[in-house]
Amino acid sequence: EVQLLESGGGLVQPGGSLRLSCTVSGFSFSDYAMAWVRQAPGKGLEWVPGISSNDGNTYHADSVKGRFTISRDNSKNMLYLQMNGLRAEDTAIYYCVKLRGYFYIDVWGTGTTVTVSS
Amino acid sequence: DIQMTQSPSTLSASVGDRVTITCRATQSVNTWLAWYQQKPGKAPNLLIYDASTLESGVPSRFSGSGSGTEFTLTISSLQPDDFATYYCQQYNSYSPLTFGGGTKVEI
Repeated sequence: EVQLLESGGGLVQPGGSLRLSCTVSGFSFSDYAMAWVRQAPGKGLEWVPGISSNDGNTYHADSVKGRFTISRDNSKNMLYLQMNGLRAEDTAIYYCVKLRGYFYIDVWGTGTTVTVSS
Repeated sequence: DIQMTQSPSTLSASVGDRVTITCRATQSVNTWLAWYQQKPGKAPNLLIYDASTLESGVPSRFSGSGSGTEFTLTISSLQPDDFATYYCQQYNSYSPLTFGGGTKVEI
């Protein structure tokens, strides 16, 4: 069974940092591009950053460029999101997602909640 | 960035109704478009990709059509389990991938 399990969310003060992790199982992780998608309370979906399967190319939304960094460890089947300089508007559920095709999302994690507040 | 606009934002319907949701892009995305269903408190679920291909396991009452800048998601006969929020997403341009604002289907 394909599973994506996020961890690392929590409450952080503005300007602080968090590192999200996503543990992957049930498929050949190194063969697929991955991404993080977030959803602010009561709002729609926002793609945050994505990363290619094996060449490490990354693509970050303008809203997080220079603050968030996506990375992966194919030897450990892990996806990461380092978030620095957090702002109130970064408050959201963060989903780890598997990309398929060119690229749509075929598998979603259950999400981890990040709250940025003083 | 390619902007995606869905209409309507909220749709009131009854069980058995035929429902159509529209998604428009600010520039052509060819047929690189997906639809997702999200229920409250849950992660979204893929329904359709490549504008009209039904994901495995998704009921055949769901269908998608369109190309270029205008797309539709149709539910042929609304079932109680279909009351949810639906999102479109373009993947013609990977940087960034973008979603529509969502359409809530309610009773």
